[in-house]
Amino acid sequence: SQQGEEDPQALSIQEGENATMNCSYKTSINNLQWYRQNSGRGLVHLILIRSNEREKHSGRLRVTLDTSKKSSSLLITASRAADTASYFCATDAISGAGSYQLTFGKGTKLSVIP
Amino acid sequence: NAGVMQNPRHLVRRRGQEARLRCSPMKGHSHVYWYRQLPEEGLKFMVYLQKENIIDESGMPKERFSAEFPKEGPSILRIQQVVRGDSAAYFCASSPQWNTEAFFGQGTRLTVV
Repeated sequence: SQQGEEDPQALSIQEGENATMNCSYKTSINNLQWYRQNSGRGLVHLILIRSNEREKHSGRLRVTLDTSKKSSSLLITASRAADTASYFCATDAISGAGSYQLTFGKGTKLSVIP
Repeated sequence: NAGVMQNPRHLVRRRGQEARLRCSPMKGHSHVYWYRQLPEEGLKFMVYLQKENIIDESGMPKERFSAEFPKEGPSILRIQQVVRGDSAAYFCASSPQWNTEAFFGQGTRLTVV
């Protein structure tokens, strides 16, 4: 089953508005990362938030993490047409065998209309 | 510092052929991960490697798929006797340590005809 589930699946807003995307997960994590993917392209790392952090900022991005609710949100302020992309949250999983892997949700497809 | 480099960007193979996908991690990164992405889906973990070692291959299909990260040279994801269902985008990521940001390459889009 999916560890990270983004909500909504698709979001359409006007340029200049704020966009909020949510991510829920099921098991305990060490870190949660947000990525952006433009259509047909690779993933761009946006921000990593650790389990002992509650909020993190990077430019127009604000990420929150609520470990009690097992959820995170990504806020993009003053959106631009260039922000149009799919956004994924990825949670980590550490196994006793020393492995480390990221589990991705299906993403939120954001469309910013000029 | 160049990012994660993957090649080729696009690969077309006929059913039954072999596909070799290459990944050069970022300089200073010794941890490499391979992920597969089907259309309109998120990425699915395949394998985690460090130099000369496979740490976790739990996401790899049991047959036809193999991965390596030799002491010298790029990491290779090898798919033997490809089938149509192998058509997907394959992404490589690297990180300097196991618990830090993972940076992704542009991916290799494999099409099996």
